[in-house]
Amino acid sequence: EVQLVESGGGLVQPGGSLRLSCAASGFTFSSYSMIWFRQAPGKGLEWVSYITTSGRQIYYADSVRGRFAISRDNAKNSLYLQMNSLRAEDTAVYYCARDGVPGATLGDYWGQGTLVTVSS
Amino acid sequence: EIVMTQSPATLSVSPGERATLSCRASQSVSSNLAWYQQRPGQAPRLLIYGASTRATDIPARFSGSGSGTDFTLTISSLQSEDFAVYYCQHYNNWPLTFGGGTKVEIK
Repeated sequence: EVQLVESGGGLVQPGGSLRLSCAASGFTFSSYSMIWFRQAPGKGLEWVSYITTSGRQIYYADSVRGRFAISRDNAKNSLYLQMNSLRAEDTAVYYCARDGVPGATLGDYWGQGTLVTVSS
Repeated sequence: EIVMTQSPATLSVSPGERATLSCRASQSVSSNLAWYQQRPGQAPRLLIYGASTRATDIPARFSGSGSGTDFTLTISSLQSEDFAVYYCQHYNNWPLTFGGGTKVEIK
């Protein structure tokens, strides 16, 4: 069974940093690109970042480029999102997802999410 | 950036009835479109990709159609577990973008 479990969320002050983790199991993690999405409270879904299997190709939404960094450790079956210079508008539930449909770029399996709150 | 627009924002439907949800792209995305379902307090679940291909274990009452800029998600006979918010997402190029969602509620 595919499982994705996010952790690392919490309350942080504006300008602060946070590192999210996503532990993957039930599939060969190193064979799949991975995606971070987020959802602000009561709002819709937003794509945040994408990383290929080797980590050689990475993409970011304009709203986070230069502040967030996606990475992965295939030996640990883990995906990460380093978030710096956090702003109030970064407050959201952050989901990691597997990009599991060949030829598409979407989340076929999602974790349950971790809440990040940016507030003083 | 491709803007995805979903309509209506809210759809009131009785159990057993058909629901038709629309998604429009600001420019062509070919068939590079997915639909997701999100129940309250849960993560999104992939329903449809390639505009019309059901994802694994998705019931046949869910169907998708369209290409280019206009897409439709149809739920043929609504069950209690189908009352949720539905999102479309294109993957034609970067950035990936979502529609604002359609909430399907009980009439």
